[in-house]
Amino acid sequence: DTAVSQTPKYLVTQMGNDKSIKCEQNLGHDTMYWYKQDSKKFLKIMFSYNNKELIINETVPNRFSPKSPDKAHLNLHINSLELGDSAVYFCASSAGQGAGEQYFGPGTRLTVT
Amino acid sequence: GENVEQHPSTLSVQEGDSAVIKCTYSDSASNYFPWYKQELGKRPQLIIDIRSNVGEKKDQRIAVTLNKTAKHFSLHITETQPEDSAVYFCAAGHSGGYNKLIFGAGTRLAVHP
Repeated sequence: DTAVSQTPKYLVTQMGNDKSIKCEQNLGHDTMYWYKQDSKKFLKIMFSYNNKELIINETVPNRFSPKSPDKAHLNLHINSLELGDSAVYFCASSAGQGAGEQYFGPGTRLTVT
Repeated sequence: GENVEQHPSTLSVQEGDSAVIKCTYSDSASNYFPWYKQELGKRPQLIIDIRSNVGEKKDQRIAVTLNKTAKHFSLHITETQPEDSAVYFCAAGHSGGYNKLIFGAGTRLAVHP
């Protein structure tokens, strides 16, 4: 069984469109994250939720809006997509808020044309 | 602000040689230092981590050392094998920081048979 899953795996869309990425974990973890990995492989935290509560909110354009309907799911909605949003977006989860292993999903490769 | 510097950015070794990757962090509150391995097109996966109450940790062919005074930590891989070829990321976080990890820029390791 896949521990952390994301859909879709690939997303190709045009500038100005709105799109969503979905993430689910079946590990029973309380904390989930969104990361952006750019073309140079740099991995940067965007958001984190603990038990549906937003606990990390980095300096990200407000076109990005995360939503956690329950502690097993974390979605990312992006409005008015721009070329610079092209990247791989990884979801991750961990057991608690304290420092510990984060389990990453397979990633969603977003290409904005 | 929080920053993790990682060197070298690329590393090429012959099979059987050792590889060393070094990181420096800026936040003196950091007390958790994981290393992630990301194979081409795959998700990052934790390979080893160390907490600030120990100076060294070993797991088979991989070891991590930590110098808190100097804010340095390093990954050592001995007897490298072609399957060790990947991008390696160091990261720093602290237990009071909602498991927020600041990642280094990554090291692309190539192990040649």
